Amino acid sequence: GENVEQHPSTLSVQEGDSAVIKCTYSDSASNYFPWYKQELGKRPQLIIDIRSNVGEKKDQRIAVTLNKTAKHFSLHITETQPEDSAVYFCAAISPGYSTLTFGKGTMLLVSP
Amino acid sequence: NAGVTQTPKFRVLKTGQSMTLLCAQDMNHEYMYWYRQDPGMGLRLIHYSVGEGTTAKGEVPDGYNVSRLKKQNFLLGLESAAPSQTSVYFCASSYVLAGWADTQYFGPGTRLTVL
Repeated sequence: GENVEQHPSTLSVQEGDSAVIKCTYSDSASNYFPWYKQELGKRPQLIIDIRSNVGEKKDQRIAVTLNKTAKHFSLHITETQPEDSAVYFCAAISPGYSTLTFGKGTMLLVSP
Repeated sequence: NAGVTQTPKFRVLKTGQSMTLLCAQDMNHEYMYWYRQDPGMGLRLIHYSVGEGTTAKGEVPDGYNVSRLKKQNFLLGLESAAPSQTSVYFCASSYVLAGWADTQYFGPGTRLTVL
């Protein structure tokens, strides 16, 4: 089955800096890669996703890039703000499968 | 449109007691899932369902049972609760795109403590 590894496990940045979280996956057939943000005590919420026919997708201050050859995808957050502090999870799914495979999460801390 | 809802929000059980967690979705999604999340850990899949009347085991199914009698509901049961089942439980649902699962939407979670 699919295996997703996520790095780093913790990331501390100053407000205004950029943050990058990287995930690698094992199944070259995987074709859908969502990113979830989970604030303390809240549910995971989808913030951005990318499909295998696209190399990059942006939504305001967040972007996701996908490198199918290297089998990795990354979340980029620019001009970080304290409200970006949360745990971020990447995930992947392969065609024909019913379940997402999640990474173990990255705790992002943005200091004012 | 409430999305995915979970009942109850909090619960405290004594070891050996039983309980059922209810998940409901109003998005007409085919797939539904139960996860547990322990402190500092990621999401671990307990059981899932790809349609009414179907269920399947996930990564950590022991000690849990599930039922999907109606498309919009997915129940998670603990027959004899143990302290190791203290956790936050999340339900999720997803639609089907071209034959496989797509974006998952999560419920607000149930915080369960087993004493």
